[in-house]
Amino acid sequence: ETGVTQTPRHLVMGMTNKKSLKCEQHLGHNAMYWYKQSAKKPLELMFVYSLEERVENNSVPSRFSPECPNSSHLFLHLHTLQPEDSALYLCASSQAKLAGGTYNEQFFGPGTRLTVL
Amino acid sequence: TQLLEQSPQFLSIQEGENLTVYCNSSSVFSSLQWYRQEPGEGPVLLVTVVTGGEVKKLKRLTFQFGDARKDSSLHITAAQPGDTGLYLCAGASNYGQNFVFGPGTRLSVLP
Repeated sequence: ETGVTQTPRHLVMGMTNKKSLKCEQHLGHNAMYWYKQSAKKPLELMFVYSLEERVENNSVPSRFSPECPNSSHLFLHLHTLQPEDSALYLCASSQAKLAGGTYNEQFFGPGTRLTVL
Repeated sequence: TQLLEQSPQFLSIQEGENLTVYCNSSSVFSSLQWYRQEPGEGPVLLVTVVTGGEVKKLKRLTFQFGDARKDSSLHITAAQPGDTGLYLCAGASNYGQNFVFGPGTRLSVLP
C-alpha cells in the first residue's frame, strides 16, 4: 500500500464509450501525475498537476482530458479512444519542492489496465 | 532533453546468483530513484540516492549513485525468485516536479 489508490483496476470499453479513471492520494502531496505504460515501451508522462494547476501536457491527444479538483484527487476522462490507447495507466504523486529544498520522491498507484475494443 | 538508459534490457538468472544492473545518463540529476514493478501493478519505490558516490543497502540490494550524479547501479546478491520484476530508474531535478524514467531492466530469477 503506497498511499495512492486508483479505480477501477481494470476497464474494458468500446471506442464510442466515455469513461473516467480516478486517482486518490493520502500522502499530503501537492503534485499528481498521469503516466501511460504500454507493453515494451518506457513510461510516458501524460499530465502533471502541481498545486491543482496543470503544469505539463506532453502533447497528449484531446481524447484524454485530465481534471484535478483538489490536491488529493485526479481524474482522467476518456472518450472516443482508439485500440492503441490500450495500456496500463498509472497515477503518481509527489511533494514538489521549491529550489533548495529536499529531494523529490514519486509514489505510484497500482494502475488501471485499460482495454479498448 | 534529459534521457536515462538502462542495461541490460533483459536478464534471466538462476536463484542464488549475483547481478548488477545499470542506469546511465549524460545529464546530472539531483536525486535518482529505483523502483521495482511486477506485472499489472504500479512501480514500488525501493530507494532514493541523493549524494554523489552514495551507497545504500536494502537487505540483499545495494544501490550506488555515481560521483558525478549521472549514473547509478543496483547490485543484487543471491537473487531469489521474489526479485523477479521490472527495475526502473528515475532521475529528478532539484526544481519543479519532473521525473525522467529509464526503459527498465526486466529481471527473471529462476528457481
